[in-house]
Amino acid sequence: GNSVTQMEGPVTLSEEAFLTINCTYTATGYPSLFWYVQYPGEGLQLLLKATKADDKGSNKGFEATYRKETTSFHLEKGSVQVSDSAVYFCALTSNDYKLSFGAGTTVTVRA
Amino acid sequence: GAVVSQHPSRVICKSGTSVKIECRSLDFQATTMFWYRQFPKQSLMLMATSNEGSKATYEQGVEKDKFLINHASLTLSTLTVTSAHPEDSSFYICSVPGQRAVLAKNIQYFGAGTRLSVL
Repeated sequence: GNSVTQMEGPVTLSEEAFLTINCTYTATGYPSLFWYVQYPGEGLQLLLKATKADDKGSNKGFEATYRKETTSFHLEKGSVQVSDSAVYFCALTSNDYKLSFGAGTTVTVRA
Repeated sequence: GAVVSQHPSRVICKSGTSVKIECRSLDFQATTMFWYRQFPKQSLMLMATSNEGSKATYEQGVEKDKFLINHASLTLSTLTVTSAHPEDSSFYICSVPGQRAVLAKNIQYFGAGTRLSVL
């Protein structure tokens, strides 16, 4: 079956620091990969996605590249802001649209 | 604006009562919706797939009689937690898959979630 392994948190950073959250996956076939973000008190929002190998998803300064050879989809941002404080979930789906989530990584950015 | 509306956002109930949570797709018809459960500081776990016009499909370990799902129309799915107990306290979230013709394929749109507290 499908599974996602995500770097454990919590992660605490200073503003303008570099952020990396590791994500690896196990899946049958060719899954689509996602990063979702959950801001305090809100529901999940799609941050970025990639649907095939070597695709790079990007949004709001965040990037992640679909690496089939290493089955990874690591999230990066070069300079974080306080407003990036949230819980980040790596996820994948196959053709049935069912999402498998990683455990989530709580990121806190301090001014 | 919101694509998915989930109501209520928070509910507190006594043990033994039943609670209904609604999930509405606002922008498009949805023959399929998903229900997830999130425990504190943990990830989302898929509970069931709600299917319009047919029975819901439950994931392994989820009690069908405890968590009743009704996909009443192409825009509404409801989750009823029957005879709720404190261990049912959790954050329940619904999602709607994007449609190929309208929105990007394979993207899901989530409701804001319902926090259930059973006393």
